[in-house]
Amino acid sequence: DADVTQTPRNRITKTGKRIMLECSQTKGHDRMYWYRQDPGLGLRLIYYSFDVKDINKGEISDGYSVSRQAQAKFSLSLESAIPNQTALYFCATSVSRTGSTDTQYFGPGTRLTVL
Amino acid sequence: KQEVTQIPAALSVPEGENLVLNCSFTDSAIYNLQWFRQDPGKGLTSLLLIQSSQREQTSGRLNASLDKSSGRSTLYIAASQPGDSATYLCAVSRSSASKIIFGSGTRLSIRP
Repeated sequence: DADVTQTPRNRITKTGKRIMLECSQTKGHDRMYWYRQDPGLGLRLIYYSFDVKDINKGEISDGYSVSRQAQAKFSLSLESAIPNQTALYFCATSVSRTGSTDTQYFGPGTRLTVL
Repeated sequence: KQEVTQIPAALSVPEGENLVLNCSFTDSAIYNLQWFRQDPGKGLTSLLLIQSSQREQTSGRLNASLDKSSGRSTLYIAASQPGDSATYLCAVSRSSASKIIFGSGTRLSIRP
């Protein structure tokens, strides 16, 4: 079973709709992240959470919100989707344990299309 | 503001060749640098992570080097195979508690 799972894997929606993307992990990591990837732009950080009570904005948080329901779950919401939010969205996890390598582990991605 | 650049954006080489992928960053005050592989339609897989105090890391046919003073890292792939075809991204972080900044990637194609 995959350590980091994302649902749905693909979603097509219309402008103005509310969308939630979900991420779950079985790695026991405390840190979780949401990124979006656009062609030619690499990955950009939307939000990140270092534990259940710690939520931080990334570089492109406008138009998005997140919820860390439990250590293992981190969801991303688009309150009113717009076409330029069409992208590939990735969830990632890492662990803050002393001596860890800080490697991030990525989910398989969610392809979101906003018409 | 940290910027990470990867040139070229795409590279095609025949099977069996050794090759080097390049990554440059503008702020040398980094905590670590990672190289990732991304296959089409899939997530990222971490290949190598170099801490700021290290000069290189090796894993199988892959070798990553880091020169903080010049703001450069290279990923060397020996004896390339068609299965190495993917997009390779480098990413840097300023501290263990800070976000990772990604380059836009190099799309590598190995011709049989």
